[in-house]
Amino acid sequence: GENVEQHPSTLSVQEGDSAVIKCTYSDSASNYFPWYKQELGKGPQLIIDIRSNVGEKKDQRIAVTLNKTAKHFSLHITETQPEDSAVYFCAASLGRYGNKLVFGAGTILRVKS
Amino acid sequence: GAVVSQHPSRVICKSGTSVKIECRSLDFQATTMFWYRQFPKKSLMLMATSNEGSKATYEQGVEKDKFLINHASLTLSTLTVTSAHPEDSSFYICSAYRTSGAPSYEQYFGPGTRLTVT
Repeated sequence: GENVEQHPSTLSVQEGDSAVIKCTYSDSASNYFPWYKQELGKGPQLIIDIRSNVGEKKDQRIAVTLNKTAKHFSLHITETQPEDSAVYFCAASLGRYGNKLVFGAGTILRVKS
Repeated sequence: GAVVSQHPSRVICKSGTSVKIECRSLDFQATTMFWYRQFPKKSLMLMATSNEGSKATYEQGVEKDKFLINHASLTLSTLTVTSAHPEDSSFYICSAYRTSGAPSYEQYFGPGTRLTVT
């Protein structure tokens, strides 16, 4: 089955700097890769996703890149703000409607002001 | 955006009792919902896939007789923790796929339910 590894487990950056979180997956058939932000005591919130027919996707300060050959994808947050502090999870799935997600272990992002 | 609610947000129960958690998709229909369990500072662990009108599919190691799932309508799935014990204390989160309009791959999560068994 699919296995998703996520690094780093914790990341501290200064406000205004960029943050990068990386994930690798094992199943070459996976073709849908979402990123979730989870704040303390809350459910995960979808912040951006990418499908395997696209190499990069950007939404304001957030971008995701995908390298299918290497089977890894990354989340990039630019101009970080204190409110970006949270736990971020990557996930992978076969992308079929109703298909289950396999999550990475999570990254605790701390943005210091 | 798609909204998923859970009720209750927090529940404390005594050991041996049963607890029901509701998951509702408020502004879309969801043929498929998922139930996750999350331990402190850990990732989400999929417990089961809930399909409207049919039996839930449980992940390996999850006791189906202990975690009863019912998906009676396109907007409601329930998880009942039967004969709860302290080790069942956890954060339970549901998610749903939108089926109304164009089906999408996006999975929307509820806010979670904190269960504490004393």
